[in-house]
Amino acid sequence: GAVVSQHPSRVICKSGTSVKIECRSLDFQATTMFWYRQFPKKSLMLMATSNEGSKATYEQGVEKDKFLINHASLTLSTLTVTSAHPEDSSFYICSASPGQGAYTIYFGEGSWLTVV
Amino acid sequence: DAKTTQPTSMDCAEGRAANLPCNHSTISGNEYVYWYRQIHSQGPQYIIHGLKNNETNEMASLIITEDRKSSTLILPHATLRDTAVYYCIVRVAILTGGGNKLTFGTGTQLKVEL
Repeated sequence: GAVVSQHPSRVICKSGTSVKIECRSLDFQATTMFWYRQFPKKSLMLMATSNEGSKATYEQGVEKDKFLINHASLTLSTLTVTSAHPEDSSFYICSASPGQGAYTIYFGEGSWLTVV
Repeated sequence: DAKTTQPTSMDCAEGRAANLPCNHSTISGNEYVYWYRQIHSQGPQYIIHGLKNNETNEMASLIITEDRKSSTLILPHATLRDTAVYYCIVRVAILTGGGNKLTFGTGTQLKVEL
């Protein structure tokens, strides 16, 4: 079936630095991808919708200047956490679908970010 | 998208069927029922989805009541590897770019034991 892959799976960065997480659709093209974050023992919270060739759409309360999203091709979206702080430490997950409507939505393996 | 209600947790003996209920009493006629599961520290895994008819695949069966206000996910022979959080999600399958986002509730923590 369709596969969505994330990289890196785990990353540790120093406070104040930026870190980039990639989300790739391996065997289909996706005009939209979605980014979620998840804190321990909590549910997934949608952060933003990544649109190929245009600006991302952010959910209420998500800082667009802190969480930069770039969707430069139909198979790649990136999330950059800028000036990371310990409270940004979380599990970040992306999703994508090969089509609209009732198509299945697939998720990446997730990326653990730890800011020290 | 319609809100769903699931039990917080359930236990199941290995080899037995696991029946996970979900209430979605405010579901609209054009909303599908999706089930995903999340094993610890991994991304959600798609299980099954349906609109009004019962569905079955290699992983599970989905039983949707006639009024569509509730559904049950059935894992016919649960194994230890089925221990996970199971999410029931209803969403409109619309043909626009924003139609593929999913809203997650708290899900049901299924624990399969020997």
